[in-house]
Amino acid sequence: EDQVTQSPEALRLQEGESSSLNCSYTVSGLRGLFWYRQDPGKGPEFLFTLYSAGEEKEKERLKATLTKKESFLHITAPKPEDSATYLCAVPAYSGGYQKVTFGTGTKLQVIP
Amino acid sequence: NAGVTQTPKFRILKIGQSMTLQCAQDMNHNYMYWYRQDPGMGLKLIYYSVGAGITDKGEVPNGYNVSRSTTEYFPLRLELAAPSQTSVYFCASSYSRGRDSNQPQHFGDGTRLSIL
Repeated sequence: EDQVTQSPEALRLQEGESSSLNCSYTVSGLRGLFWYRQDPGKGPEFLFTLYSAGEEKEKERLKATLTKKESFLHITAPKPEDSATYLCAVPAYSGGYQKVTFGTGTKLQVIP
Repeated sequence: NAGVTQTPKFRILKIGQSMTLQCAQDMNHNYMYWYRQDPGMGLKLIYYSVGAGITDKGEVPNGYNVSRSTTEYFPLRLELAAPSQTSVYFCASSYSRGRDSNQPQHFGDGTRLSIL
């Protein structure tokens, strides 16, 4: 069974204090890994797809990396507006359809 | 550029009442999904559809029904509301070409439902 585990559950940073979020996964036949951002009262917003181990993607202060067992979301010099819950997810083809297994997220709070 | 639109945004129901959560997408995606999100539990798949006229159960389908008569719309029906159905419901859509597809899902902003 596909599993996605995110850590830590919550992270509190001072503005400008860089850190990383972790997403570890077990899936048969990795077809990629998604990162989403979710703001309170909103739906998940797609950030990145990583397709294979060794790949990196960047967007503003966010950089996502992928290995064969885990993915990291590095946040460089975060700002208060980066506060959100970050979700990772892995797609798989099972039972005739594309299913996606989501982690429970890391809630990031950036303090001014 | 609407994407995925869900209505209503909030609703309070009494036990035993019925309602339909609406979902529409304008991206011509073939796949559509319904999830529920409970605190600390992550997103759980209720039902999905791979195209108009084709639907199937996800992980937690009990107490729900769906239909998909067109590509754009995928309503979720609660027939006899129970307190356990208090949750936030998200509709999502994606484009899938089958086994090798890995396109991300795009989400609406959810319906917050309370059953009292």
